[in-house]
Amino acid sequence: QVSLQESGPGLVKPSQPLSVTCSVTGYSITTSYYYWNWIRKFPGNKLEWMGYINYDGSIYYNPSLKSRISITRDTSRNQFFLQLNTVTTEDTAVYYCARQRVYFDLWGQGVMVTVSS
Amino acid sequence: DIVMTQSPFSLAVSEGEMVTINCKSSQSLLSSGNQKNYLAWYQQKPGQSPKLLIYYASTRQSGVPDRFLGSGSGTDFTLTISDVQAEDLADYYCLQHYTSPNTFGAGTKLEL
Repeated sequence: QVSLQESGPGLVKPSQPLSVTCSVTGYSITTSYYYWNWIRKFPGNKLEWMGYINYDGSIYYNPSLKSRISITRDTSRNQFFLQLNTVTTEDTAVYYCARQRVYFDLWGQGVMVTVSS
Repeated sequence: DIVMTQSPFSLAVSEGEMVTINCKSSQSLLSSGNQKNYLAWYQQKPGQSPKLLIYYASTRQSGVPDRFLGSGSGTDFTLTISDVQAEDLADYYCLQHYTSPNTFGAGTKLEL
């Protein structure tokens, strides 16, 4: 049974970094041809793809976030990570991790992150 | 970026009815290499993550009831739900995965 599970701080202060972890069980994140993505859903329901790290460690970010985002991984723990810097209240969202080969076929349950002082 | 224009924003339905949700992309999602349309449909219920219903515009994901039908090609796509059931009340999103950044439609809320 493959599953993804996000974990994160819940509340982040403006201008601070936001960090979220995706723990993957039942499937290696180094398996060929799979991409491991971060997607967020804002209040008001807009979905935004943020970026991915793929099976060989290559990374691609949404250009709209490129200056603030970092995605890394720990293959020994089968986890990948999102860091978003210099957050504002507009970064308040549910953050999802998702697996992709061609389309997003498996998602985590999501973690709500609120940016507030 | 490819812009996905999804309509309607919301739909009020009764059980047993048929509904259609539309999605239009700002450029073609049809691959000339394999003749597949890189368009997917997702269902999201409150408190849950999005669930894949349809990929390549018309291929139903395993386990998805056959009352969900995806159609269209190029820039115009439709999700049709026939014989709507109470369990189908949810938000629906289209996604283009033809090129990065992948982009979503704004969503359609299906409600009673």
